[in-house]
Formats: sequence, C-alpha cells, structure tokens
Amino acid sequence: DAGVIQSPRHEVTEMGQEVTLRCKPISGHDYLFWYRQTMMRGLELLIYFNNNVPIDDSGMPEDRFSAKMPNASFSTLKIQPSEPRDSAVYFCASSYGQGAINQPQHFGDGTRLSIL
Amino acid sequence: GDSVTQMEGPVTLSEEAFLTINCTYTATGYPSLFWYVQYPGEGLQLLLKATKADDKGSNKGFEATYRKETTSFHLEKGSVQVSDSAVYFCALRPGGSYIPTFGRGTSLIVHP
Repeated sequence: DAGVIQSPRHEVTEMGQEVTLRCKPISGHDYLFWYRQTMMRGLELLIYFNNNVPIDDSGMPEDRFSAKMPNASFSTLKIQPSEPRDSAVYFCASSYGQGAINQPQHFGDGTRLSIL
Repeated sequence: GDSVTQMEGPVTLSEEAFLTINCTYTATGYPSLFWYVQYPGEGLQLLLKATKADDKGSNKGFEATYRKETTSFHLEKGSVQVSDSAVYFCALRPGGSYIPTFGRGTSLIVHP
C-alpha cells in the first residue's frame, strides 16, 4: 500500500503568491482531511471530505484558503494570496468511514510551507 | 465538546527508563481512543488503539489501557530507546463520528 502521498514536501514562496498543495489518499478510503500544524496552535483540522464532498470547512482560517476534491484519488488545498502567517506544515490524511468507525487516520508526510 | 488533554513536554529520559505520558479525555458516549506517534519530518502514524472500556492497546512495547472510570488512556513503555524520540499524540474518535479530536502532543527525548 503506497500510503497517503503529498506534494510538494517543501514549498518556499513570497508573500502574495498562490500556493497549491496536493494530496493523493489511500485507495478505497472515503474520508479525506486537511490539517495544519504549528508550534503555537498544534494540529488544526481545516476541512474534511466524504466521498469527494466537502462536509465541514469551519476550520479554514480565511477566504484565502480553498480546498477541492475533484475525484476519489486527488485533493488540493490552495492559498491565494499567501501570507507569512500561513507558514506551517500542512498534512493530508485519509481513512475508511462507513462501517469502520474505529479505523484510524493515515497521514501523509506533510508539506512544509514557508511564506517569506 | 470533546477534548483531549496531554501532559506538557518535553519529557526527557535516559535510555532504558520507564515512560508514562498521561492523557485524559472528555467525551459523550463511548469514544475510541488512539495514540499516534510523529517522528521528525514525518506525518502522524497510528501507534495503538482501544475501542472500549478496559481494552488494552499495545504495539512496539508501548501499552495503554482505556479507563472509563478515570477517562484516561495513559501511554507506557517499560524501557525506552533513543529511537523512541518523537512527538506522541493522544486522540479520541467519538461514538458515531468519523472525526477525531487530537491532544496537543507530547515531545519525548531519549538520551543514550
């Protein structure tokens, strides 16, 4: 099993630029989650999808953030325009849902984003 | 709402010492409980889990027992190794929900 794949692993860009983070979940998983991790705030849930449909985006910090899941094997998190305070590690995770309530989440290795 | 409280770190130990990382939770119903581990530069990985009261989860020498009466799920290991240095996250998944709640994480540093 390939696991959750995120790209890029590292991104350094200047303030104001558009940033796109990508995620390929584990095949067969029907839930996908985007998290942000910082020293100050810990692990924050930004948004999650079920069967490609966004269910709860209440964790998305601002309108500058958007996420899509066009199909079961791909999701993006976009920041436009980016700001220095967006610097963090962004994780994608996937899991089984229906009928498997005790199943854990599987995390990717994250994208370390630095906005200068 | 649901919440998970972990002891603050870092926890610093010498190799072969006994480890305990405390975790308590608040939740309605009967949640499932998890410990995840995050090694430097990596994502979180499931370490162990327990799905009902008095269950003991175990993996790689780590253990945790689901204590409903004390709403706790403390992580223990009898003899830590340098390679156990990582950040450990306690999490719960409420009954009827697929969305977990994570603690803030506890950093463990093991010296040779």
